[in-house]
Amino acid sequence: AQKVTQAQTEISVVEKEDVTLDCVYETRDTTYYLFWYKQPPSGELVFLIRRNSFDEQNEISGRYSWNFQKSTSSFNFTITASQVVDSAVYFCALSPQGGSEKLVFGKGTKLTVNP
Amino acid sequence: EAQVTQNPRYLITVTGKKLTVTCSQNMNHEYMSWYRQDPGLGLRQIYYSMNVEVTDKGDVPEGYKVSRKEKRNFPLILESPSPNQTSLYFCASSSGLSGNTIYFGEGSWLTVV
Repeated sequence: AQKVTQAQTEISVVEKEDVTLDCVYETRDTTYYLFWYKQPPSGELVFLIRRNSFDEQNEISGRYSWNFQKSTSSFNFTITASQVVDSAVYFCALSPQGGSEKLVFGKGTKLTVNP
Repeated sequence: EAQVTQNPRYLITVTGKKLTVTCSQNMNHEYMSWYRQDPGLGLRQIYYSMNVEVTDKGDVPEGYKVSRKEKRNFPLILESPSPNQTSLYFCASSSGLSGNTIYFGEGSWLTVV
């Protein structure tokens, strides 16, 4: 069975602090995809990144960066110099084929960035 | 514009009154799914469909039905809603190609009183 664990339920930081959101996954598949989504207070799901299991390169996109470590089954997300607009619930998710048919989500981490 | 459209977006209904949440996509995607989101539980899959007339249960299918008569539509049916089905519902679609983008609808806030 597949499982995604986001151990941090809530995190609160002050603006400009760096923050890392943890994601640990379990799967027996050799090929799989990992995702991060952002859910702002308005409720929609905003896609942030997709990474397949064969690509262990870390990725940076502006203030966002992702660290994929297959050896520890982790796919952590770091926000550098956080801003109030980063306040949201963040979900890590896993899919065996990369599609929506078997997407498994973690329980989410609520990030609050205070001014 | 690629889109997954859900309706209604907001609904308050009463226990036992059948309701349908519609989901439509304009991308000719094979795969469609329904999820519910509850505080502290994240998103959990209710049902999914891999093509027309092909549907299967997800992790929390009890109390729900689905149908896939056309490729673009995947309605979620609550035959006899109960208060524990109060939730935020998301529809998602993707193509059959590995790793292709997953599109989510904007969500449907459902309250059963």
